[in-house]
Amino acid sequence: EAGVVQSPRYKIIEKKQPVAFWCNPISGHNTLYWYRQNLGQGPELLIRYENEEAVDDSQLPKDRFSAERLKGVDSTLKIQPAELGDSAVYLCASRTHDSYEQYFGPGTRLTVT
Amino acid sequence: RKEVEQDPGPFNVPEGATVAFNCTYSNSASQSFFWYRQDCRKEPKLLMSVYSSGNEDGRFTAQLNRASQYISLLIRDSKLSDSATYLCVIRNNNDMRFGAGTRLTVKP
Repeated sequence: EAGVVQSPRYKIIEKKQPVAFWCNPISGHNTLYWYRQNLGQGPELLIRYENEEAVDDSQLPKDRFSAERLKGVDSTLKIQPAELGDSAVYLCASRTHDSYEQYFGPGTRLTVT
Repeated sequence: RKEVEQDPGPFNVPEGATVAFNCTYSNSASQSFFWYRQDCRKEPKLLMSVYSSGNEDGRFTAQLNRASQYISLLIRDSKLSDSATYLCVIRNNNDMRFGAGTRLTVKP
């Protein structure tokens, strides 16, 4: 079974530029999460989807971050414009409705210069 | 106070040693508890869930103390391959909170 797929794996951009991350969860996983992980810290939730509905986006900085999960499968996370403090690893995770075990993708390591 | 706090580490232990990590949480209504393992520059992966009565999986033992609001992870007979960061995860409804992690290095 394929795991959670994310792309790109690495991204280097200049500040004020836009950037987008893509996630393809495990087939059949209704719940999808986007996390941000800074060095030496645990993942912090940005947004959670149940199918195509964003049910928890309270931690998403809405002035510059946006996300979508059209058709309840793939998801994209966008930052526009990026700031230096956005440098981090952006992790996507998914799970089934009946289990709380999350499966993480390899993450996208973003560097903003 | 942070919602989830872990031993800051790092822990550097010789092979064969026993090592224990603690994690405290602030929300007494928390419902599920987990330990995840994260290797350097890799994604977190579930190590084990933590059950009320405590549970064991080979060399790993997890304990939960609801009254004191902490969970622990004990690793016996440490192996070089146990070197990683161990993340404590607390669930309240659909809200999952991660600790900052405790880094373990097992040395020959």
